[in-house]
Amino acid sequence: NAGVTQTPKFQVLKTGQSMTLQCAQDMNHNSMYWYRQDPGMGLRLIYYSASEGTTDKGEVPNGYNVSRLNKREFSLRLESAAPSQTSVYFCASRYSGGSYNEQFFGPGTRLTVL
Amino acid sequence: AQSVTQLGSHVSVSEGALVLLRCNYSSSVPPYLFWYVQYPNQGLQLLLKYTSAATLVKGINGFEAEFKKSETSFHLTKPSAHMSDAAEYFCAVSDAGGTSYGKLTFGQGTILTVHP
Repeated sequence: NAGVTQTPKFQVLKTGQSMTLQCAQDMNHNSMYWYRQDPGMGLRLIYYSASEGTTDKGEVPNGYNVSRLNKREFSLRLESAAPSQTSVYFCASRYSGGSYNEQFFGPGTRLTVL
Repeated sequence: AQSVTQLGSHVSVSEGALVLLRCNYSSSVPPYLFWYVQYPNQGLQLLLKYTSAATLVKGINGFEAEFKKSETSFHLTKPSAHMSDAAEYFCAVSDAGGTSYGKLTFGQGTILTVHP
């Protein structure tokens, strides 16, 4: 099992450019999540998908869109990147059979917006 | 709304000393609580979780945490620090409600430094 994979690992964008961060999991998990990590702020939830076919906003959704392509894949899109979106982005997945089930995290994408 | 506060953004200990990382939470419903560790340039790895089965929870790498409802705390401890414990540690809370969808609210993180 590869677990949760994310591409790319690193990306540099100019202000106004767009890009899509890809995430896939091979654990047959129902729920998937996108977080951003900024120094001193922990991880903050951007969007989540409780199950295939559903998505919902998290704490900091502005400037982002998501697509739950199928059960395995959950992508995050920045339509017009801004310097404030410079961050490390983590995708996570979870089996939703119980609220106590933990999330499994990918290795992250480091994004710099100039 | 839930929140998590980790007291101390940086903790420094000597190798072999006790590790104590503090976490307090607020939740309007019974919580599920998690500790994750992040090594440099890596994703987060689960250390342990509290799911109401037992208040003292043992995790990987010799870490444990105790859930204290009266103090709304879930502090992480390890009796003897090892150099390999140097990392950033995150406390997180999820409420037990059916509509939570397992969403996590994280603390701001504590960077643990271990000196030889």
